[in-house]
Amino acid sequence: QQPVQSPQAVILREGEDAVINCSSSKALYSVHWYRQKHGEAPVFLMILLKGGEQKGHDKISASFNEKKQQSSLYLTASQLSYSGTYFCGTEGRGSQGNLIFGKGTKLSVKP
Amino acid sequence: SQTIHQWPATLVQPVGSPLSLECTVEGTSNPNLYWYRQAAGRGLQLLFYSVGIGQISSEVPQNLSASRPQDRQFILSSKKLLLSDSGFYLCAWSRGMGMNTEAFFGQGTRLTVV
Repeated sequence: QQPVQSPQAVILREGEDAVINCSSSKALYSVHWYRQKHGEAPVFLMILLKGGEQKGHDKISASFNEKKQQSSLYLTASQLSYSGTYFCGTEGRGSQGNLIFGKGTKLSVKP
Repeated sequence: SQTIHQWPATLVQPVGSPLSLECTVEGTSNPNLYWYRQAAGRGLQLLFYSVGIGQISSEVPQNLSASRPQDRQFILSSKKLLLSDSGFYLCAWSRGMGMNTEAFFGQGTRLTVV
């Protein structure tokens, strides 16, 4: 089943923070996060494999709550370059290799 | 280094015509290969994935099919296109079993069925 992302869209001013959530109805093996600029291919941000795991680079980080089957992506002090659509992708336990993406969250950062 | 090639970049086809989109990966062996379709408001929909030559898993019933005639070649086909087949098609690859490594996407093919 497709993971559910929220919110569907968010508009920020430069320097503001945002959180994007991803939840699944299935037990998860992994959670992936990607960002896609308009008309371009999605670009990998990070993958989380273990419950409780948190990762990040620059000012973008993510957490994975395995028990709740949820992940959240945190964007801190957003920059104009953060604009795009963010997708979470999940692999269910027992269905590794089957990466299902959510519908995406469109993030717009304004000056 | 590994690269993924997908072509054509854009395609306009009439309803009822056949389709063949090709994707090749260089610089790696035995990749997992994927075809996704992106339609407005529906995110990235997994169509097919393959863990080896001749091994294809279909996720969504449709009039599309996929084949993997060589280790690093993945082809998406249709015998007769429908208007609903329009969309942005993305090929991707990853290493190993499962997706515990990142997926690398091709630049996509924008298909318009008229």
